[in-house]
Amino acid sequence: DAMVIQNPRYQVTQFGKPVTLSCSQTLNHNVMYWYQQKSSQAPKLLFHYYDKDFNNEADTPDNFQSRRPNTSFCFLDIRSPGLGDAAMYLCATSREDGGTYEQYFGPGTRLTVT
Amino acid sequence: GENVEQHPSTLSVQEGDSAVIKCTYSDSASNYFPWYKQELGKRPQLIIDIRSNVGEKKDQRIAVTLNKTAKHFSLHITETQPEDSAVYFCAATYSWGKLQFGAGTQVVVTP
Repeated sequence: DAMVIQNPRYQVTQFGKPVTLSCSQTLNHNVMYWYQQKSSQAPKLLFHYYDKDFNNEADTPDNFQSRRPNTSFCFLDIRSPGLGDAAMYLCATSREDGGTYEQYFGPGTRLTVT
Repeated sequence: GENVEQHPSTLSVQEGDSAVIKCTYSDSASNYFPWYKQELGKRPQLIIDIRSNVGEKKDQRIAVTLNKTAKHFSLHITETQPEDSAVYFCAATYSWGKLQFGAGTQVVVTP
């Protein structure tokens, strides 16, 4: 089945220790997104790739970086995690369909910072 | 950018009753409005969506209405069941498919 996969599902890191979260997709969608979702809040867009073009949201901290080496994979790098970065990180993909973009979400990675 | 307001923040209904969640958006260029259901610890799941050229869409017990002039859209769940209990998010797209979510509505269906 075509899908969006995230690894790991649960990640524990220490304060200040870099961490990388992974997303892959078999949908062949050209757009990929990273969201941060904290408890009892809506998902918040961090950045997205439209094909190879990287688009950062204005309020995304510099501590968060992303890489997309090919269509199928996208990575979220947190260079120096703080306690406030503990959250669920959701990857999503989409493609244009008649001027609209239906997003497909992965299962998420739950990040804990100790 | 887009701004989406969602009300109410919590909604308690008796099983079998209807639930209505309302959202407003600010960007008149938005053309796609999905609704997501999210259970605790799980991913947002698309339950229904509507495009700007349609005023109403129905899928079994779920319906969505869109008023482009007023920039309002609403989710209607009829004959609610305990498994409908979850957080529901409305969203509006802007700028090449980016989603702006509403703050969410915690729906509790009591037997």
